[in-house]
Amino acid sequence: GEDVEQSLFLSVREGDSSVINCTYTDSSSTYLYWYKQEPGAGLQLLTYIFSNMDMKQDQRLTVLLNKKDKHLSLRIADTQTGDSAIYFCAESMSNAGNMLTFGGGTRLMVKP
Amino acid sequence: DSGVTQTPKHLITATGQRVTLRCSPRSGDLSVYWYQQSLDQGLQFLIQYYNGEERAKGNILERFSAQQFPDLHSELNLSSLELGDSALYFCASSPGRRTGYTFGSGTRLTVV
Repeated sequence: GEDVEQSLFLSVREGDSSVINCTYTDSSSTYLYWYKQEPGAGLQLLTYIFSNMDMKQDQRLTVLLNKKDKHLSLRIADTQTGDSAIYFCAESMSNAGNMLTFGGGTRLMVKP
Repeated sequence: DSGVTQTPKHLITATGQRVTLRCSPRSGDLSVYWYQQSLDQGLQFLIQYYNGEERAKGNILERFSAQQFPDLHSELNLSSLELGDSALYFCASSPGRRTGYTFGSGTRLTVV
């Protein structure tokens, strides 16, 4: 089956690193994504990783994938108040076209 | 502006009514996806169209239907509305490859 889980809430101080975690259950996942949703807005694609990769870095964002444990994480370096938002991980499975299954989202609060 | 346009942004209607939500995908994108976001269910995939044809169906109620027109815009029709249908409805588009979606800013539907 398909189930993507995330913790509900994370609070960090400005300048610290944030790590948002996600677990998924379907081993046939091919691509995994991180999206950001700010209040009143749609979801913005931040980054994605192919399942044969362990890590991907893009400026302040680092994605780590542990395929054995079906664990995905998003690290945001030097977190800023503008990073406060809800972060969703999503998986795309090889047998489901391009359909994405989303986790419930992690609300990141950055304190000044 | 993500390039995906959804109208209207807000809709308030009574139970039992029917509404139509509209989506114009990003230029060049052939796939359109509809998602429902509610507080208790999170982001739920409803349906996907690719170049005018239905490609995948998720947790879409029989009271709901969608279509994609030759100019690639899509409409989501919701009928016999119930209070529980109140949610944010997102449209997303992609070129058809596994590079993630681009989301619109959503239509907030309130059923009273």
